Amino acid sequence: KQEVTQIPAALSVPEGENLVLNCSFTDSAIYNLQWFRQDPGKGLTSLLLIQSSQREQTSGRLNASLDKSSGRSTLYIAASQPGDSATYLCAVPNTDKLIFGTGTRLQVFP
Amino acid sequence: DGGITQSPKYLFRKEGQNVTLSCEQNLNHDAMYWYRQDPGQGLRLIYYSQIVNDFQKGDIAEGYSVSREKKESFPLTVTSAQKNPTAFYLCASSMQNQGARQPQHFGDGTRLSIL
Repeated sequence: KQEVTQIPAALSVPEGENLVLNCSFTDSAIYNLQWFRQDPGKGLTSLLLIQSSQREQTSGRLNASLDKSSGRSTLYIAASQPGDSATYLCAVPNTDKLIFGTGTRLQVFP
Repeated sequence: DGGITQSPKYLFRKEGQNVTLSCEQNLNHDAMYWYRQDPGQGLRLIYYSQIVNDFQKGDIAEGYSVSREKKESFPLTVTSAQKNPTAFYLCASSMQNQGARQPQHFGDGTRLSIL
């Protein structure tokens, strides 16, 4: 059974720091992995989708890496800003559904 | 602009009442999904539909019902049989399901509370 874990559950950092969010999955036979952002009281916004054949995917200050063999993905945020404050979730597909982690709640303070 | 519209944003249910959450998409997507989000838990799949007039149960379908009469619309009814309906409900869509491998796009959610 696929399980997805995100550590830490919460993170608070000063503006300007580079930071790494972690996502672990138990079954390495994934097709892809998707990272989402969720603002309070809002839906999910897709940030990056990384295919199993890729090792990295970049969008602006965001970089997602994938290591299938170790069951891990990381989301790197460069030069963090207060506007990056949100909950970040990762998800992997499994038999017609996405399996989500419980998310990392990020706060970036000025 | 293409997107997913959920309504209402907030909904209150009385004991013994059925309520219906609306989800409409203009992305021309075949597949649509309903998720439930509770504090401290990941999203859990309630129902999904891969095509008009067809839908499948997800992990927590008990106490919920859906219909898919039009490609654009996938309403969710929370029935009185759902004893703990207080949660944030999210609707999503993707071009096709293909084992959930296609990117999913989400609406802004409906928060349901018990009166």
